[in-house]
Amino acid sequence: DTEVTQTPKHLVMGMTNKKSLKCEQHMGHRAMYWYKQKAKKPPELMFVYSYEKLSINESVPSRFSPECPNSSLLNLHLHALQPEDSALYLCASTQTVTGELFFGEGSRLTVL
Amino acid sequence: AQSVTQLGSHVSVSEGALVLLRCNYSSSVPPYLFWYVQYPNQGLQLLLKYTTGATLVKGINGFEAEFKKSETSFHLTKPSAHMSDAAEYFCAVTSNSGGSNYKLTFGKGTLLTVNP
Repeated sequence: DTEVTQTPKHLVMGMTNKKSLKCEQHMGHRAMYWYKQKAKKPPELMFVYSYEKLSINESVPSRFSPECPNSSLLNLHLHALQPEDSALYLCASTQTVTGELFFGEGSRLTVL
Repeated sequence: AQSVTQLGSHVSVSEGALVLLRCNYSSSVPPYLFWYVQYPNQGLQLLLKYTTGATLVKGINGFEAEFKKSETSFHLTKPSAHMSDAAEYFCAVTSNSGGSNYKLTFGKGTLLTVNP
């Protein structure tokens, strides 16, 4: 069983909608990640939060807005997305010593 | 800088046959190496990892991998394939050098199909 929980599992939105993806972990990990994964491709890093502060932004468009309300929660706010943003969005967390990531099941996003 | 090359985007084996998925890495500092598996429409699950110590590491579901520094390789093997092994496999590298510990670099993935 995954210990990183993502909701919703599926999301369909129009280009003018505002929606959010949520991620929760209770393993005490202090680094949390958002990845984007297109079909038949490896995950692409979007954001990293370390100790609740944004530490890495991989030049992601501003229509994606991350938020880390506390050490267990990570949100990704979505606004004015494009159809090409349709993908599987994966959340992950880690203990920073070894760097291994624990992934959630992902949120499948479709932008119409 | 670090990178991962997975040789073969698609590997097909018969049930019961040896599975060998190849991974070569590049890292300027001692690496941490990982193999992840992804089943359709699911997240990534850690199969095994090499950090320090023993170079032959065993993971879940009967998989193992050997870290060979001289060959900069971390190939994944399983003696006997099972139908349930069919999935996408990703090799990944990170390194213990401060900030870069936060960035996991993935290979492009290898799709394993298992034929009955």
